[in-house]
Amino acid sequence: EAAVTQSPRSKVAVTGGKVTLSCHQTNNHDYMYWYRQDTGHGLRLIHYSYVADSTEKGDIPDGYKASRPSQENFSLILELASLSQTAVYFCASKQGDTLYFGAGTRLSVL
Amino acid sequence: GDQVEQSPSALSLHEGTGSALRCNFTTTMRAVQWFRKNSRGSLINLFYLASGTKENGRLKSAFDSKERYSTLHIRDAQLEDSGTYFCAAEAGGSGSWQLIFGSGTQLTVMP
Repeated sequence: EAAVTQSPRSKVAVTGGKVTLSCHQTNNHDYMYWYRQDTGHGLRLIHYSYVADSTEKGDIPDGYKASRPSQENFSLILELASLSQTAVYFCASKQGDTLYFGAGTRLSVL
Repeated sequence: GDQVEQSPSALSLHEGTGSALRCNFTTTMRAVQWFRKNSRGSLINLFYLASGTKENGRLKSAFDSKERYSTLHIRDAQLEDSGTYFCAAEAGGSGSWQLIFGSGTQLTVMP
C-alpha cells in the first residue's frame, strides 16, 4: 500500500523561529505536494514538486519554502514562523488521479 | 471502475445563465472538495464540505454522503468563470487517507 510518512506529527514553534516539516514517500511517485488545512476549510496547496531537485509554487506559497532533495523526500520550511501559519499540514504523493496523504502535522505557532 | 464520476465533461453556458456539475461516488466518502484550475495550472479551492450545502457568491455546492453525490451550481455565469472544475472526494481513515479526483468539467462561458 502507498505510504507517505510525515514528521513530526505535531510541533509547537515560536513566532520568528524556523520550522521544517518532513515528508517521506515509499511510492516512487513523481509528484509530491504540501497542503495546509485550517479548521472548517479544505486543503490549500502551498508547494509541489514533480521531480527531485525542483519545486513549484502552489496557491499560497508566501512564507513557505520547499525542498525536494530526492524522489522520496519533500520538506516544507517556514523560515520565520508566524501566528497565521498555525494549521495542520499534509504532505501527499500522487498516482494518476489519486493523492495519497500522510497523517498530517499539527503546527501551533505561539 | 472509477470511484469518482464527474459530469458533464464539458459544458457551454451563455453569460447570465446557470447550470450544475455533479460528482457521483461509488462508495461512501467522508468529504468533498471542489476546485477550479487557474491559469497557472494550480487548483483553487472553491468549497470543502463534510455534509450539507455551502454558498459563495454565485456558486453553491451540496454534498450527500449517504446518497453518494455532490453538486456544484453556478448561477449568472460570467466570462471569467470559464475554466476546468474538479471535484475531489476524501476516502479512507486517519493516517492513510486519499483524495480522489474526478476527471474534470471544462466550462466555457460565452457572450
